[in-house]
Amino acid sequence: AQSVSQHNHHVILSEAASLELGCNYSYGGTVNLFWYVQYPGQHLQLLLKYFSGDPLVKGIKGFEAEFIKSKFSFNLRKPSVQWSDTAEYFCAVKGAAGNKLTFGGGTRVLVKP
Amino acid sequence: DTAVSQTPKYLVTQMGNDKSIKCEQNLGHDTMYWYKQDSKKFLKIMFSYNNKELIINETVPNRFSPKSPDKAHLNLHINSLELGDSAVYFCASSQVLASSYNEQFFGPGTRLTVL
Repeated sequence: AQSVSQHNHHVILSEAASLELGCNYSYGGTVNLFWYVQYPGQHLQLLLKYFSGDPLVKGIKGFEAEFIKSKFSFNLRKPSVQWSDTAEYFCAVKGAAGNKLTFGGGTRVLVKP
Repeated sequence: DTAVSQTPKYLVTQMGNDKSIKCEQNLGHDTMYWYKQDSKKFLKIMFSYNNKELIINETVPNRFSPKSPDKAHLNLHINSLELGDSAVYFCASSQVLASSYNEQFFGPGTRLTVL
């Protein structure tokens, strides 16, 4: 069975600080990896995804993530956060041949102005 | 244009009632999903339909019954509502057949409160 673990439940930082959110997954095959963001009171939006190719993936709003296969990790990064990045961030994994998307527990990020 | 829409956005009801949540997607996708997000923001898949056929059915009480009248709609009917059913329910859709990416698009969610 696939599973996803996000190490930080809550992160508080100031504007212009750098952000890195950890994500590790467990799955015995080829995976597709995703980061979704949920702004307060809103639905999930896709930040970025990895299917194949370059393990460093760039997404929207200045976010990027690196797939490290040997570590089963897909950490999300942003060099300089803004107040508007305050949100809940979810890592998700799907077997390449399947439909079932498994989410991590989410990380709540609060950016102080 | 709304890609994945859900109605209602908020639903407050008493224990024991039966309620339905509707979902529609205008993306032409062949697969639709229901997820439940609990009070701790944990998201878990409940069901998935591909071309009106049930393909994922997680461990969900049989009080929950999804219905897909066509591939653009996936409704969720809940019988005998319980306090523990209070959550935000998200619908999603994706294109699975003849697609390399199978990215899921989410609706705005329905916040269900059972009193």
